[in-house]
Amino acid sequence: EAGVTQSPTHLIKTRGQQATLRCSPISGHTSVYWYQQALGLGLQFLLWYDEGEERNRGNFPPRFSGRQFPNYSSELNVNALELEDSALYLCASSLGSLAGLNEQFFGPGTRLTVL
Amino acid sequence: KQEVTQIPAALSVPEGENLVLNCSFTDSAIYNLQWFRQDPGKGLTSLLLIQSSQREQTSGRLNASLDKSSGRSTLYIAASQPGDSATYLCAATNQAGTALIFGKGTTLSVSS
Repeated sequence: EAGVTQSPTHLIKTRGQQATLRCSPISGHTSVYWYQQALGLGLQFLLWYDEGEERNRGNFPPRFSGRQFPNYSSELNVNALELEDSALYLCASSLGSLAGLNEQFFGPGTRLTVL
Repeated sequence: KQEVTQIPAALSVPEGENLVLNCSFTDSAIYNLQWFRQDPGKGLTSLLLIQSSQREQTSGRLNASLDKSSGRSTLYIAASQPGDSATYLCAATNQAGTALIFGKGTTLSVSS
């Protein structure tokens, strides 16, 4: 069974540009989560989508946005890129739940570098 | 607000040693707690998940315990091997169960 996949593996952008990161969940999983892992800051929760709806959002500015498609894949968009957005962006998926979070399975990540 | 702390930040042990990694969280009203492994520059591999109603989970040489009243979880690794070298991350849910809050991890090095 295929795991969570992410594309691209690496992405290089310049300040002010927009970045789009993509994630495909494990088959049967309806929840998708996005995390940022910046050097020295640890893993920080960004967004949670379930059944196409945004269920929760972490403490990030509005220029971080995303969406979930009918096939449950997801896109993370980062507008007006800043140098400190350079990080490993991880996507995870789980079975959907109305009651809370189920076990999350992570993809390999997208390394975003902002120059 | 949930905060997760992992001690120590780094640990070096010889092969074959049993070891314990510690995780503490500030809000005991968790939904569940997960332990992950991360190899350098890679994504996370889920090791064990403990539901709030459980006290421990075991998988092979790994055993994770959960004590909500004291806000602590431990990951016990038996008979460590060089292949166990990685960063181990603990993550607890917030009270609403809508976000997973991570510690900064313990980087383990097992020498042969």
